[in-house]
Order: sequence, then structure tokens, then C-alpha cells
Amino acid sequence: AQTVTQSQPEMSVQEAETVTLSCTYDTSESDYYLFWYKQPPSRQMILVIRQEAYKQQNATENRFSVNFQKAAKSFSLKISDSQLGDAAMYFCAYRSLFTGGGNKLTFGTGTQLKVEL
Amino acid sequence: SQTIHQWPATLVQPVGSPLSLECTVEGTSNPNLYWYRQAAGRGLQLLFYSVGIGQISSEVPQNLSASRPQDRQFILSSKKLLLSDSGFYLCAWSQGAVSGQPQHFGDGTRLSIL
Repeated sequence: AQTVTQSQPEMSVQEAETVTLSCTYDTSESDYYLFWYKQPPSRQMILVIRQEAYKQQNATENRFSVNFQKAAKSFSLKISDSQLGDAAMYFCAYRSLFTGGGNKLTFGTGTQLKVEL
Repeated sequence: SQTIHQWPATLVQPVGSPLSLECTVEGTSNPNLYWYRQAAGRGLQLLFYSVGIGQISSEVPQNLSASRPQDRQFILSSKKLLLSDSGFYLCAWSQGAVSGQPQHFGDGTRLSIL
């Protein structure tokens, strides 16, 4: 079974600065998908970014980018030019390539990001 | 575009009372559907998922059950609520037969048991 580990329960960043959230995972599969979700105080789960493991290029969505290191099984999220609205709980998630088994996600325990003025 | 609706947003129930939370998806067909529970300050625990009408898979033994009476309707139920059933419940959907698609979440239901 796959596991996802987020070793930073809390992180802080100054507004306009850059922060990196860590995520590692364990799997025996060679192809899979990785996601970052954001959960603001409203508790709505919002997809931030997606990475296909078979793509070497790191995914980017505006101020959000990932550093995907397949050999190290690492999938960190970088937030540039941090804004107050980025304050949220961030979850890393893993999904198998195969569509069987309900396409379930395995979530990490989350990192609470605080953005300071 | 696809949308997911989950209700109610907030619910306060006494111990021993029944529960019914409903989730519907619009704009897609044959989605995979999921129910999660999230304790305060914690991660998401998958409770049930469904790949089709009447097909329910349970991830953890518990006091809850799920049903999928229609293609885009997913219901979470309990006959008698326990204090431990308190939490934040999230419904989600994903495209079933398409690989790599993310899950999309509803706004959640905050359930408090008195």
C-alpha cells in the first residue's frame, strides 16, 4: 500500500516571500499521479496542482510549482510571492495510474501554512 | 461544467438519532463518488467510495453506511449516531474511466453530535 508523508505540521512565510512544503511518498508502482490540495479556513478542498509521474517536467500553475524527484519519491510544493490568501492547510495526495480500485487518493496529514505581514 | 452539491452545510444531532447526508454531482455521468471524514486539524479519512449505482466499497468499519441510488447521487447514513461520529464530512467525485483525473470536493458538512 502507498503512504504519503508530510513532515512539516506547520510552516510560516512572510508575505511576498517564497515557501516550500515537503511531501514524500512510498510506492512500488512506476507510474502514478501526485496532487496538492489546499484547504482554507472555509474547509473547502481546492486542487492546486497535479503531476504525472511519467512526465519529467515539473508542473506549474501560476505562483505554484512543484519539485518532483521521482527517484527520491519526493514531491514538494513551492509557493512564490506568497499572499495572505495562501494561508491554508495543504495536503499532498497520491493516486495510482490504474483506474481500477475506485481511483482512490492517499492523503498526507497536511501542512498548515501561515502567511505573515 | 461539473458541479458537486453537498448538504446540509451544518448539522447538530443528538446521540442515537439517525443521519442522512446527501451529495449530488451535475454535468458528468458515471462518476466515482467518495465520502471522507475529517477530524479537527487532521487529515482526510476515506469512508466509502462507489464506482457505479448500487456499488459501495467500505474502507473502515464504522457506524455509518453509504448508498448510491442514482448515478450522480451519494448518500451517507446512520441509524444511530455516536459521539465519535462528530466531524467534518466531505463528498468528492472523479471521472471514473479516465486515468489521472483529480477528485473534486463538495463544500462539506460539519456534523456535531450532542
